[in-house]
Amino acid sequence: DGGITQSPKYLFRKEGQNVTLSCEQNLNHDAMYWYRQDPGQGLRLIYYSQIVNDFQKGDIAEGYSVSREKKESFPLTVTSAQKNPTAFYLCASSIQRAGGGHEQFFGPGTRLTVL
Amino acid sequence: GEDVEQSLFLSVREGDSSVINCTYTDSSSTYLYWYKQEPGAGLQLLTYIFSNMDMKQDQRLTVLLNKKDKHLSLRIADTQTGDSAIYFCAESSSGYNKLIFGAGTRLAVHP
Repeated sequence: DGGITQSPKYLFRKEGQNVTLSCEQNLNHDAMYWYRQDPGQGLRLIYYSQIVNDFQKGDIAEGYSVSREKKESFPLTVTSAQKNPTAFYLCASSIQRAGGGHEQFFGPGTRLTVL
Repeated sequence: GEDVEQSLFLSVREGDSSVINCTYTDSSSTYLYWYKQEPGAGLQLLTYIFSNMDMKQDQRLTVLLNKKDKHLSLRIADTQTGDSAIYFCAESSSGYNKLIFGAGTRLAVHP
């Protein structure tokens, strides 16, 4: 089955610790994305990558870092510099349609709680 | 900058039609999308419409696009309890590699 997997589903972290969220896709998509979702709010873009070894900051990149060493993988590190990291994190990948569409496919999400 | 707005909550009776509305500001939008999110899960793409279309129908779902008013709607016929979820509207522009999402509309279906 092709799809996007995120692990773990639930993650607990102590204040001051870095933590890495995993995202893997076997859809052969070039582009991958990380979003943050807070209760009652929409999705905010953290980072995105259009191709291996390249990535760009999204709207709320401060306190986060990413890498894109392989096409299939786009891990997100939440650093201690992120002041309010408790949230639901969603990873996505996309194909590009002729004419400019970017149909994004989402993973099941990781809920991060800082204790 | 680009913005997408949706009403936050909609309540309907089971068997009725639901209409979820969305407005956007980017006149260069080429594709508009509707996603569904069930509790604790990721987003599932329901349908999309290209900007040169006025309407698209897919089983119980009908998407209407008024490009002049930058207004998009999703109609769900014969709404069922399994349709209870948050529905997100999103848009993308040609040559722009990001989607802009609305805040989501929470649909509650009651007997």
